[in-house]
Amino acid sequence: EAGVVQSPRYKIIEKKQPVAFWCNPISGHNTLYWYLQNLGQGPELLIRYENEEAVDDSQLPKDRFSAERLKGVDSTLKIQPAELGDSAVYLCASSLAPGEQYFGPGTRLTVT
Amino acid sequence: AQSVTQLDSQVPVFEEAPVELRCNYSSSVSVYLFWYVQYPNQGLQLLLKYLSGSTLVKGINGFEAEFNKSQTSFHLRKPSVHISDTAEYFCAVSPFGNEKLTFGTGTRLTIIP
Repeated sequence: EAGVVQSPRYKIIEKKQPVAFWCNPISGHNTLYWYLQNLGQGPELLIRYENEEAVDDSQLPKDRFSAERLKGVDSTLKIQPAELGDSAVYLCASSLAPGEQYFGPGTRLTVT
Repeated sequence: AQSVTQLDSQVPVFEEAPVELRCNYSSSVSVYLFWYVQYPNQGLQLLLKYLSGSTLVKGINGFEAEFNKSQTSFHLRKPSVHISDTAEYFCAVSPFGNEKLTFGTGTRLTIIP
C-alpha cells in the first residue's frame, strides 16, 4: 500500500513569493490534515478535511494561507506571499479511522 | 483544550540499555494517547496508541507504553535499545470524538554505541 505522498520535498523561495505544496493521501482515506512543524517542535494542525469539506481551519492564517481539496482526494496548500517566519516543514497526513493518522515525508520550506 | 508535556528534550542511552521517555498530558475531557517516531528527514510514524482497555500498550519495534490516568502520564519504554532507535519521539493526545492531535515538543533519543 502506497503511503502519503508529498511534493516537493524541499523548496527554497525568496520572501514575498508564492509557494504551493501538494499532498496525495492513502487511497480511501477520507480525512486529510495539513500540519506545520517548526524546528524543535511538534506538528501543529493547520487544517483538517473530511472529504472536500474543511471541518477545522481555525489555526490556518487565512490572510496568506489557503488550501483546497476539490475532489476529496489530493490537496494543495498555498502560501502567498511567503514570509521569513514561514520557514518550516509542512506535513500532510491522512486517516480512515479515528486515532490512526498516517504522515507523509513533509515539505521543507526555506524562505530567504 | 489539551496540552502535552515531554519532560526531556534529549535522552542519550547506551546501546542495549533500557529507556523510558516521559509524557504527561492535561485535558478536561477523556483522550486518546499516541506515540509517534520521526526519523531524520522523514514524516511521523505511529509507534503505538491507547484508545481503551488494557493500560499497557505494545507497539512496533519493541516499544510499549503505560497509561496512568491518575498521574495523567503515558510514558514510553523499551527494555533494550538499538542504534536504529535513534530518532525524535513525539507524544500526542486527541479528545474523544475529535481527531485533532495535540503534540508534545518531542524527545530526541540518541543511542550511544
